[in-house]
Amino acid sequence: GAGVSQSPSNKVTEKGKDVELRCDPISGHTALYWYRQRLGQGLEFLIYFQGNSAPDKSGLPSDRFSAERTGESVSTLTIQRTQQEDSAVYLCASSPTHTDTQYFGPGTRLTVL
Amino acid sequence: AQKITQTQPGMFVQEKEAVTLDCTYDTSDQSYGLFWYKQPSSGEMIFLIYQGSYDEQNATEGRYSLNFQKARKSANLVISASQLGDSAMYFCAMRLLTGRRALTFGSGTRLQVQP
Repeated sequence: GAGVSQSPSNKVTEKGKDVELRCDPISGHTALYWYRQRLGQGLEFLIYFQGNSAPDKSGLPSDRFSAERTGESVSTLTIQRTQQEDSAVYLCASSPTHTDTQYFGPGTRLTVL
Repeated sequence: AQKITQTQPGMFVQEKEAVTLDCTYDTSDQSYGLFWYKQPSSGEMIFLIYQGSYDEQNATEGRYSLNFQKARKSANLVISASQLGDSAMYFCAMRLLTGRRALTFGSGTRLQVQP
């Protein structure tokens, strides 16, 4: 079946602009995660959604970052007033429940000029 | 807080040989899961293998096996019979089975398989 998809695959923006990144999880997966990967580094957790429960936002680096998810479908990660240090690959993952293996999308490469 | 340490930034291996990628972890929790992911140059994270903290036997998936030594808090990945397509970044990660569900990743090891 279809895997996790993300769009856009690449995004170049100017400092100070807002950006929206989209994630379509695997159908039926109730848990959805956002991670950030800076160049040459491991992944950093950003935010986690599980069904209709309140999201775990403990990894968001600043109040410029926010995310939404409607039910068990698409999620959008929004970064307001982008800074150069926001440049990274943003990866989305989903799992059938919060105890299962996470399957990742191809990521969105964000470049802030 | 959980921490994953991968001390090998880069590794080389000859095609058809076995290679071990090191991973140590730190947590005070008793219930956790350990994961290995492969990240080719295309960027996608590919799940390889999982080991639960209560699993008594080492996990195996085809050419991948996880050498789990709980007392030493290590979870090394062994790749047997390396192939050129195994060249990639490899990340060790862990997740608690209660409480926070997010994965904590190590910094990764870049494996290069030489013909």
